[in-house]
Amino acid sequence: AQTVTQSQPEMSVQEAETVTLSCTYDTSENNYYLFWYKQPPSRQMILVIRQEAYKQQNATENRFSVNFQKAAKSFSLKISDSQLGDTAMYFCAFIPQGGSEKLVFGKGTKLTVNP
Amino acid sequence: DTAVSQTPKYLVTQMGNDKSIKCEQNLGHDTMYWYKQDSKKFLKIMFSYNNKELIINETVPNRFSPKSPDKAHLNLHINSLELGDSAVYFCASSQDFDFSDTQYFGPGTRLTVL
Repeated sequence: AQTVTQSQPEMSVQEAETVTLSCTYDTSENNYYLFWYKQPPSRQMILVIRQEAYKQQNATENRFSVNFQKAAKSFSLKISDSQLGDTAMYFCAFIPQGGSEKLVFGKGTKLTVNP
Repeated sequence: DTAVSQTPKYLVTQMGNDKSIKCEQNLGHDTMYWYKQDSKKFLKIMFSYNNKELIINETVPNRFSPKSPDKAHLNLHINSLELGDSAVYFCASSQDFDFSDTQYFGPGTRLTVL
């Protein structure tokens, strides 16, 4: 079975500092996508960043970047220059290419950015 | 033991039909959710119930109607299915409605409308 593990239920960071959220996954697939979603209290799911497994280059999106280690099955999210608006739940998710193509979620990490 | 289960896991149906997707959680949680994963892998919240009361009702067509017979169940009924309803639908639950509560997702139901 494919699983996604987020080992940090909660994290906090000071405004303007950098924080890294960890995510590991387990799959026998070779082609897949990885995602980080941000969920603020409104419960809307906001796609923060995505990574195709066949791409060696780490995805970046403004202040958000990932460290994708395919062999280690690790997909951590780095948030630079943290802002108060980054306070949210962050979900790591995985989807195999082809087949059922259903997202598999981690349990989430609550990030609090302190002023 | 499955924490959050959905039935069916796959559903293929014709346009115009009415169908239901069932969700059950055995975690004793008070809050349940329905999300929609579209073809671009975007995930959107549709509904949330807390203690059988509707808390979140995002802008979805009124052909979609959630029903919560008890705290452990949140079913999604869809009338007059359209091609655009084809998607994966996820149910989730959390202990309460606090946004920091861990959400447990079901396996998803892939709905295909022909």
